Amino acid sequence: EPEVTQTPSHQVTQMGQEVILRCVPISNHLYFYWYRQILGQKVEFLVSFYNNEISEKSEIFDDQFSVERPDGSNFTLKIRSTKLEDSAMYFCASSERSPLTTDTQYFGPGTRLTVL
Amino acid sequence: DQQVKQNSPSLSVQEGRISILNCDYTNSMFDYFLWYKKYPAEGPTFLISISSIKDKNEDGRFTVFLNKSAKHLSLHIVPSQPGDSAVYFCAASGRAGSYQLTFGKGTKLSVIP
Repeated sequence: EPEVTQTPSHQVTQMGQEVILRCVPISNHLYFYWYRQILGQKVEFLVSFYNNEISEKSEIFDDQFSVERPDGSNFTLKIRSTKLEDSAMYFCASSERSPLTTDTQYFGPGTRLTVL
Repeated sequence: DQQVKQNSPSLSVQEGRISILNCDYTNSMFDYFLWYKKYPAEGPTFLISISSIKDKNEDGRFTVFLNKSAKHLSLHIVPSQPGDSAVYFCAASGRAGSYQLTFGKGTKLSVIP
């Protein structure tokens, strides 16, 4: 069964460093998403991506964050200068069609980011 | 801004009995609702969904009910099995022009053998 994969499973970094979280969406999916879950809190939407551009982003997704699809299979989330409050589980998701047509998003296993 | 609420943080049920997980929403623009199951250290796994044009959707042991007038949905698991023990998240989407899922805080279900 096709699945979303994410690497690494755990990333530890020093405050102020750049991190890149990687995702391989399900191969025939066209829409890609990043969510995060801070420990003890809700899963929160960060950004959606379609046709090589951002479709929508939340207020969390500030100038420190960026996304790209560098090679047609990977989908990456970059945090330019990490802060302590960026420590969270980051989930990638993908969907086959626009959610506006009642599509379903499938999630990867997550990357745990720890900022020291 | 809790647009999707799961008011029960935990629920314990005996194996074989029915588990009922509840979810309320406030945004009337939501038109697609999903339930995800999550084990520790894993991502959310899609379980079942329902469109606002329906009031019930069934898939095996899982049934989701939607009451649009009350802005309430529920997930029924019958019969409950120990392997169902996990955190269950309700999520909603469909605000005009929006792709994002809005999640509830989750309900931890424990099925006791």
